[in-house]
Amino acid sequence: EAEVAQSPRYKITEKSQAVAFWCDPISGHATLYWYRQILGQGPELLVQFQDESVVDDSQLPKDRFSAERLKGVDSTLKIQPAELGDSAMYLCASSLLPSGGELFFGEGSRLTVL
Amino acid sequence: AQSVTQLDSHVSVSEGTPVLLRCNYSSSYSPSLFWYVQHPNKGLQLLLKYTSAATLVKGINGFEAEFKKSETSFHLTKPSAHMSDAAEYFCVVTLTGGGNKLTFGTGTQLKVEL
Repeated sequence: EAEVAQSPRYKITEKSQAVAFWCDPISGHATLYWYRQILGQGPELLVQFQDESVVDDSQLPKDRFSAERLKGVDSTLKIQPAELGDSAMYLCASSLLPSGGELFFGEGSRLTVL
Repeated sequence: AQSVTQLDSHVSVSEGTPVLLRCNYSSSYSPSLFWYVQHPNKGLQLLLKYTSAATLVKGINGFEAEFKKSETSFHLTKPSAHMSDAAEYFCVVTLTGGGNKLTFGTGTQLKVEL
C-alpha cells in the first residue's frame, strides 16, 4: 500500500539551530500539505502545494519557516532559527485532488527544541 | 469561517460497550465533515467522511457517524469497542467545494479498558 514518507521521525535540536524535514507524497498526488500539531491540539495547516506552487501559506511563520517543492514531487520544510515554541509534530499529507479528496498522512516528524 | 468543537477531551469505555465521541461544527456554508484516527506515533487515518450525500455515514472498523444539520453535530459511534480502538480521534470540517483546507478539532483520546 502506498504511503507518505517522512524523515526524520524524531529530531532534537537546540534553539537557534536550523532544522529540515522531508516528505515524499504518494506517487501521483499533486497536492501536498504540511501541518503542525502541538501536543494536545489538532493539526494546523502550515502550507499547501499544488504541484510546485504554493496555494496557501497564510499560517506559515515566514520569518523563520520556509517550504519548497521544486519539482512538484517531494518537499522540504525548514525552520531557521528554531525556537522553543516550535516543538511539535510536523505532519505531511498528500491528496489526489485539490478539493474534496481524502488526505493521506505520513507518520510525522517529532521536533523537540531545547 | 468554520470550526469544530469536540466536547470531550478524554473518553473511557469498557471493551464490548458502545462508543460515542461528540463533535459539533460551525460553518457558514455547506460543510464536509470527517473523522480521522491517530494511533500513537502514527499518522492520521481517515475513518469516514460526510459530503452532503447520506446523512448516516459508515466508515472503517465498524465506526459510523450521523450528520444532523439541526443540531450542527457529527457524532462518531461504534456499537462495541475493541482494545485496538484506543487512539486519538479528530473531527474535521472543510467547506464543500472550498478546497482541502481542513479545520481540526482538538481531539478526543479514547481509552478502552478490559
